[in-house]
Amino acid sequence: GAGVSQSPSNKVTEKGKDVELRCDPISGHTALYWYRQSLGQGLEFLIYFQGNSAPDKSGLPSDRFSAERTGGSVSTLTIQRTQQEDSAVYLCASSFQMNTGELFFGEGSRLTVL
Amino acid sequence: AQSVTQPDIHITVSEGASLELRCNYSYGATPYLFWYVQSPGQGLQLLLKYFSGDTLVQGIKGFEAEFKRSQSSFNLRKPSVHWSDAAEYFCAVGTLNTGFQKLVFGTGTRLLVSP
Repeated sequence: GAGVSQSPSNKVTEKGKDVELRCDPISGHTALYWYRQSLGQGLEFLIYFQGNSAPDKSGLPSDRFSAERTGGSVSTLTIQRTQQEDSAVYLCASSFQMNTGELFFGEGSRLTVL
Repeated sequence: AQSVTQPDIHITVSEGASLELRCNYSYGATPYLFWYVQSPGQGLQLLLKYFSGDTLVQGIKGFEAEFKRSQSSFNLRKPSVHWSDAAEYFCAVGTLNTGFQKLVFGTGTRLLVSP
């Protein structure tokens, strides 16, 4: 597609359940990023991929969070045993190459944990 | 560690009036600075960026920003606001150490445009 696509756009889950959020970047973009936007807070960096590798996972809040990217394209962010504090909008972005600073963001996946 | 402060949570501007959104950063070395806009139902979009050189940078949609090292600021300006500018604006900083993989964002300023 023309832009970064994220699914689902909205997800309501019960505490303790696992969730998967998907990101389909712009075709040809080698770098992919996950950020989290919580109410009243700025965007929080979670992880980025260059190709299929994730050189920096330091932003993941806990070991319940994991992400993978396959084929240098689609990425999945998985949250296990969700907690209420995981409620946020999860944003995915991609860029053609590193070090340009221009990230193309999707509309996000809004996660609500009851 | 670097940080970004956007002191105004909300700003209301009349259509046609000028706009200035404030951004202050904290970083010891030369920062790489960005302004992104998030319109309702859309992903964040880059408005402009500063890497080096001329401290006044022009962006899309008629926006500009000025880097002032002495004030650690990178304020966003527009001479005449249009109703379509109503959105949330985020300032962000990247550093040479981290490239732009880990942009640090401010908490955003929501712009309301009154008729």
